[in-house]
Amino acid sequence: DAGVIQSPRHEVTEMGQEVTLRCKPISGHDYLFWYRQTMMRGLELLIYFNNNVPIDDSGMPEDRFSAKMPNASFSTLKIQPSEPRDSAVYFCASRRDQLYNEQFFGPGTRLTVL
Amino acid sequence: KNQVEQSPQSLIILEGKNCTLQCNYTVSPFSNLRWYKQDTGRGPVSLTIMTFSENTKSNGRYTATLDADTKQSSLHITASQLSDSASYICVVRGGGGNKLTFGTGTQLKVEL
Repeated sequence: DAGVIQSPRHEVTEMGQEVTLRCKPISGHDYLFWYRQTMMRGLELLIYFNNNVPIDDSGMPEDRFSAKMPNASFSTLKIQPSEPRDSAVYFCASRRDQLYNEQFFGPGTRLTVL
Repeated sequence: KNQVEQSPQSLIILEGKNCTLQCNYTVSPFSNLRWYKQDTGRGPVSLTIMTFSENTKSNGRYTATLDADTKQSSLHITASQLSDSASYICVVRGGGGNKLTFGTGTQLKVEL
């Protein structure tokens, strides 16, 4: 298995532009998580899905952020409009359907908003 | 409030030396604690998971300990190698909703 796949790996955009981050989880994993990582705050859970359904989006910072999972093999995190404070590394992770199973992280997308 | 505090924030050691990283938490009730290793430019990878009944667990040169009474965990690295240079993140599951609480990590650098 190729592991969790994220694209793009790097994104540089200007303030106000729309940004879409993509994730393909490991096949057979029922949970998908989106995280944001910054030096100041470390890893923060934004939202997670179970069987394509959003379960907890309490970590989504504001309405500019939205996430979708149209099928078991694809998810997107969209920021519209983007702001410089959104600059961070965004990770996607997936896990099998058992509570204490390990989450497997993708390589991340480094987002820079100018 | 559920919190996970890690120390030190950063650490530099010479290759071949041992080191110990600390993790203190206030998460309650406690379910489990996991140590992750995050190489630069990559996502975190799990090293070990500790449940309430476990005091110590090893994974190669990595040994994790857990004291559930004092709510402390440590990660000991023996005979460090250059490839151990990474950020080590402590993550505790528990509290209301049995959620994950992340520490901000310890940045370890191993030098020649």
